[in-house]
Amino acid sequence: AQTVTQSQPEMSVQEAETVTLSCTYDTSESDYYLFWYKQPPSRQMILVIRQEAYKQQNATENRFSVNFQKAAKSFSLKISDSQLGDAAMYFCAYRSAEGAQKLVFGQGTRLTINP
Amino acid sequence: SQTIHQWPATLVQPVGSPLSLECTVEGTSNPNLYWYRQAAGRGLQLLFYSVGIGQISSEVPQNLSASRPQDRQFILSSKKLLLSDSGFYLCACQTLNGLASEQYFGPGTRLTVT
Repeated sequence: AQTVTQSQPEMSVQEAETVTLSCTYDTSESDYYLFWYKQPPSRQMILVIRQEAYKQQNATENRFSVNFQKAAKSFSLKISDSQLGDAAMYFCAYRSAEGAQKLVFGQGTRLTINP
Repeated sequence: SQTIHQWPATLVQPVGSPLSLECTVEGTSNPNLYWYRQAAGRGLQLLFYSVGIGQISSEVPQNLSASRPQDRQFILSSKKLLLSDSGFYLCACQTLNGLASEQYFGPGTRLTVT
């Protein structure tokens, strides 16, 4: 079974600075998807960014980018120019490319933005 | 785009009472539907998923059950709640428009069992 590990329960960053959240995963599959979700205090799960395993190019969405290292099974999220609205729980998730498309989540990292 | 509704938003129930949480989806057809639970300060755990009407798969043994009576309706139930059933329950939907489709989440239901 696949597992996702986020080793940083909490992180903090100064407003306008850059922060990187870590995620590692374990799988024997070669084709899969990886995601970062944001959960603000409202608890709504919001998709931040996705990465297809077959793509070598790292995904980027505005201030959010990932460092996908397939051989190392690592998938970190970099947030540039951090804003107060970025404060939230961030979850890394894995999804197989086959079957029922189930998401496997990490335990989450709580990100605090210091003004 | 699809919209996911969940109700109730908040629920406080005594131990041993029944439970029914409802999830409905708009703006798509024949989606995959999922129930996740999030315990306090933890990640999401998949409880059930459904790939079609009447088709339910359970991921973990537990006190809960799920049903899908209609294409865009997914219900989470229990006959007798336990304290350990407390948590935040999220319904998710995925339309299989190729493998590139996303899973979208509803607003969630906060359940407290007392």
